[in-house]
Amino acid sequence: SQTIHQWPATLVQPVGSPLSLECTVEGTSNPNLYWYRQAAGRGLQLLFYSVGIGQISSEVPQNLSASRPQDRQFILSSKKLLLSDSGFYLCAWSFPFPGSSGNTIYFGEGSWLTVV
Amino acid sequence: AQSVTQLDSHVSVSEGTPVLLRCNYSSSYSPSLFWYVQHPNKGLQLLLKYTSAATLVKGINGFEAEFKKSETSFHLTKPSAHMSDAAEYFCVVSDRPQGAQKLVFGQGTRLTINP
Repeated sequence: SQTIHQWPATLVQPVGSPLSLECTVEGTSNPNLYWYRQAAGRGLQLLFYSVGIGQISSEVPQNLSASRPQDRQFILSSKKLLLSDSGFYLCAWSFPFPGSSGNTIYFGEGSWLTVV
Repeated sequence: AQSVTQLDSHVSVSEGTPVLLRCNYSSSYSPSLFWYVQHPNKGLQLLLKYTSAATLVKGINGFEAEFKKSETSFHLTKPSAHMSDAAEYFCVVSDRPQGAQKLVFGQGTRLTINP
């Protein structure tokens, strides 16, 4: 079966400091990978998605970047955090081809980021 | 463009009574629809999904949803609420560009269960 791991679970960082959130998926190959953000009291917003190593698509302009150095590893980064970057960040994955199971996205447990 | 509207931001029911969480969607083609549940400080768990098979979809924990194309609705129901059902629920529609899924989320409905 497939599993997704995301860390750290919580993070408190000062404004201007760097950020690195990491996500790995096990039990499948060539997954589509996603980073979502959930601001307090709001729905989820897709930040980035990736269909393969080194292939990153950005959905919204922002202070963040994403990288996929390995097939099942997805990293969310920032060089200098802003207060507005605070939120709940969720990594997710889906099978590479749409189908009865392929169009379902499976989420990790999330990472709480507080920028102070 | 696809969109999802969850008609209630907060629903409160008594334990043992029915649950109804309402969702309307807008899609230019036959959509895939999902309900996810999020317990406090946790990730999202898939409750059920509709992918153009049976219009009545059964999910985990006794939840089910009915896809009604004429009403563009996908309401979530459960016959009898449990205290453990207290959580945030998201109705989601899938935009399927080539190679990846883009989910469009509703704003969520917070379900409170009263003893």
